[in-house]
Amino acid sequence: SAVISQKPSRDICQRGTSLTIQCQVDSQVTMMFWYRQQPGQSLTLIATANQGSEATYESGFVIDKFPISRPNLTFSTLTVSNMSPEDSSIYLCSAGTGTAVNNYGYTFGSGTRLTVV
Amino acid sequence: AQSVTQPDIHITVSEGASLELRCNYSYGATPYLFWYVQSPGQGLQLLLKYFSGDTLVQGIKGFEAEFKRSQSSFNLRKPSVHWSDAAEYFCAVGAWSGGSNYKLTFGKGTLLTVNP
Repeated sequence: SAVISQKPSRDICQRGTSLTIQCQVDSQVTMMFWYRQQPGQSLTLIATANQGSEATYESGFVIDKFPISRPNLTFSTLTVSNMSPEDSSIYLCSAGTGTAVNNYGYTFGSGTRLTVV
Repeated sequence: AQSVTQPDIHITVSEGASLELRCNYSYGATPYLFWYVQSPGQGLQLLLKYFSGDTLVQGIKGFEAEFKRSQSSFNLRKPSVHWSDAAEYFCAVGAWSGGSNYKLTFGKGTLLTVNP
């Protein structure tokens, strides 16, 4: 399965600033996703990163707050914009290959632990 | 829309004891089911998966899970727990919404503590 490198692994940011998180996969993947894991909570899908087109956002998440880029089949970025303390979470990148039938479950990066002060 | 329920927020077992973590799902068709483990400060690692066929699936680290359609369940089991199994475990269902939009939906997780 693919190996995902995510950086930074953690950061402490001032409110009102923005942070861009990078996700690099060691092989071409069809599907890339961004998740948020708030303290003590499960994973919530933010959006699907589409190569060559705008990301598909889940309910409650908007492009102005979480702009996403995916310039190719191995790389994506998530920006958390105009941060507030409520954005303090772990942000995880995930990737999968092929159709769902052949997809052995997504691979996850180790996450970016963000603290907004 | 699909959903996943993990009824147990926190489970404590003794090392060497058997383990069963519960997972119930809601989905209109046969789902794709997964168990992931997350160690402190780490990302998620896939333990095992079910797509079709044999309802008892084997995974890594000695884990297995059984799909029971009649109960809408996919419980995770291990016959003898090791201290290194202490972690948070997430059950997930993969399904389509809105036609071609395939995604994973996660349960809230079960935190496993292992006593020596």
